[in-house]
Amino acid sequence: KQEVTQIPAALSVPEGENLVLNCSFTDSAIYNLQWFRQDPGKGLTSLLLIQSSQREQTSGRLNASLDKSSGRSTLYIAASQPGDSATYLCAVEDTDKLIFGTGTRLQVFP
Amino acid sequence: DAGVIQSPRHEVTEMGQEVTLRCKPISGHNSLFWYRQTMMRGLELLIYFNNNVPIDDSGMPEDRFSAKMPNASFSTLKIQPSEPRDSAVYFCASSLSRGKYFGPGTRLTVT
Repeated sequence: KQEVTQIPAALSVPEGENLVLNCSFTDSAIYNLQWFRQDPGKGLTSLLLIQSSQREQTSGRLNASLDKSSGRSTLYIAASQPGDSATYLCAVEDTDKLIFGTGTRLQVFP
Repeated sequence: DAGVIQSPRHEVTEMGQEVTLRCKPISGHNSLFWYRQTMMRGLELLIYFNNNVPIDDSGMPEDRFSAKMPNASFSTLKIQPSEPRDSAVYFCASSLSRGKYFGPGTRLTVT
């Protein structure tokens, strides 16, 4: 059974820092890996999608990498801003289903 | 594109009552998913449909939960009778090939 773990569970940093959020999964036979952002009381916003044949994806200040063989993905946030404060969720696609991690709650203070 | 539409956005009901949550997927998407999010268990897949056919309902907690997709543009998740432990945020998502697109969710409170 696929299990997805995210470390750390919570992170509080000053504005301007570069951050790394970690995601690990137990079964490397995945189709895609998707990173989401969730603001308090809101829905999920897709940030990046990495297909199983890809190693990384970039969007603005965000960069996500995927290493299937080791069962790991990282989300790199450059020059963090208070507006980046949210919960970040990693999800692996197993056949047609998304299996979610428990998330990293990020707070960026001015 | 309007995205995935869910209604109602908030629902408060008493234990024992029937609750129906609704979802309109993105036009052209052929897969639809129902997820439940709680503090204790995070995001869990309840059921998903492909081309309106239920493919995997192993996440449906018990017989009180049922889901239907009568056509490509509409799905319902029904809880009958509802219980306080059903209180959660219920998300609907749709997809065509790559990635999943989530609706804003329905926050259900059962008192």
